[in-house]
Amino acid sequence: QKEVEQDPGPLSVPEGAIVSLNCTYSNSAFQYFMWYRQYSRKGPELLMYTYSSGNKEDGRFTAQVDKSSKYISLFIRDSQPSDSATYLCAMSGDTGGFKTIFGAGTRLFVKA
Amino acid sequence: GAVVSQHPSRVICKSGTSVKIECRSLDFQATTMFWYRQFPKQSLMLMATSNEGSKATYEQGVEKDKFLINHASLTLSTLTVTSAHPEDSSFYICSAPGQLTEAFFGQGTRLTVV
Repeated sequence: QKEVEQDPGPLSVPEGAIVSLNCTYSNSAFQYFMWYRQYSRKGPELLMYTYSSGNKEDGRFTAQVDKSSKYISLFIRDSQPSDSATYLCAMSGDTGGFKTIFGAGTRLFVKA
Repeated sequence: GAVVSQHPSRVICKSGTSVKIECRSLDFQATTMFWYRQFPKQSLMLMATSNEGSKATYEQGVEKDKFLINHASLTLSTLTVTSAHPEDSSFYICSAPGQLTEAFFGQGTRLTVV
């Protein structure tokens, strides 16, 4: 079993839809949870950063962490064609020397 | 956020030659940088951790003599793929850690060995 599971998609939605991206994990030591967006042939860029359980909102993006279920989500409201990219979840246990584990990434296509 | 610059973005080389990839932190100092490899439709695979002023730490299964890492200053880490072969063709990405556990990534380098 992988430490982090993420459905690779692709996920195709119409413009304006609400998008839900998810990851599950197995290591209960993870405390820091991140979402990255990666455009084709580019390096990932940090979208959201969350510590422990709860929600965090930033514009059209909302990150949710449910540590009891070992499940994290990223919601994108009013999706735009420019949101078309691969979204990677990532998680880590501590700030000192704990490796960050990445999900495989979900490819999202938002159709105009 | 912090800026990490990676160069070149794309390189094509002949089999048997060596290729150097540079990773620079532009507006901050990075005592540690990470080098990843990414295959199509797959996640980032950590290859090694680059440490300023000391030897890099390689992940299991990564040949340190083939993937030479040098972290000569607080703003520059380099990855040299030596005696490249077609199977080394991949997307290589560097990152530098933020204050917590977030990472700031370079733009990536697409290496094609012919």
